Amino acid sequence: AQKVTQAQTEISVVEKEDVTLDCVYETRDTTYYLFWYKQPPSGELVFLIRRNSFDEQNEISGRYSWNFQKSTSSFNFTITASQVVDSAVYFCALSEARGNKLVFGAGTILRVKS
Amino acid sequence: DGGITQSPKYLFRKEGQNVTLSCEQNLNHDAMYWYRQDPGQGLRLIYYSQIVNDFQKGDIAEGYSVSREKKESFPLTVTSAQKNPTAFYLCASSISDWTETESGANVLTFGAGSRLTVL
Repeated sequence: AQKVTQAQTEISVVEKEDVTLDCVYETRDTTYYLFWYKQPPSGELVFLIRRNSFDEQNEISGRYSWNFQKSTSSFNFTITASQVVDSAVYFCALSEARGNKLVFGAGTILRVKS
Repeated sequence: DGGITQSPKYLFRKEGQNVTLSCEQNLNHDAMYWYRQDPGQGLRLIYYSQIVNDFQKGDIAEGYSVSREKKESFPLTVTSAQKNPTAFYLCASSISDWTETESGANVLTFGAGSRLTVL
């Protein structure tokens, strides 16, 4: 069975600090996809990134970066120089190669204080 | 602009009543989904539909029902059989998920959610 664990329930940082959100996953599939979504206070989930299991290259997008390591089954997300607007709930998710039925982690609440 | 519209945003229900949550999309997506969100539990899949007039149970379908009579619409009914219906409900859509291709896992687009409270 597929499972996603986000051990950090809540993180508080001061603006401009760097913060890393952890994600550990379990799957028996050799081909799978990993996702990160952001849920701001408005409630709507916003897609951030998708990574397939064959691509272990780290990715950077502005202040966001992702570190995918199959050896440790982790897909961590780092925000550099955090801003108040980054305050949200962040979800890591996993899906099998065929199909879009995502399995979500419990989410990490990020609070960025000014 | 294309997107997903969920209504109502807030809904209160008395015990024993059925209630229907609306989900409409104008993205021309084939697949639609309903998730339930509870504090500290992430999102759990209730029902999903890959095509009109067809739908499948997700992980927590008991006490819920759906219909998919139109491509654009996927309403969710929370029945009186659902023992703990108070939650935040999210609808999502994506392009077809039954094709067995490299791009099979597509990005879900979510609505803004409906918060249901049972009084």
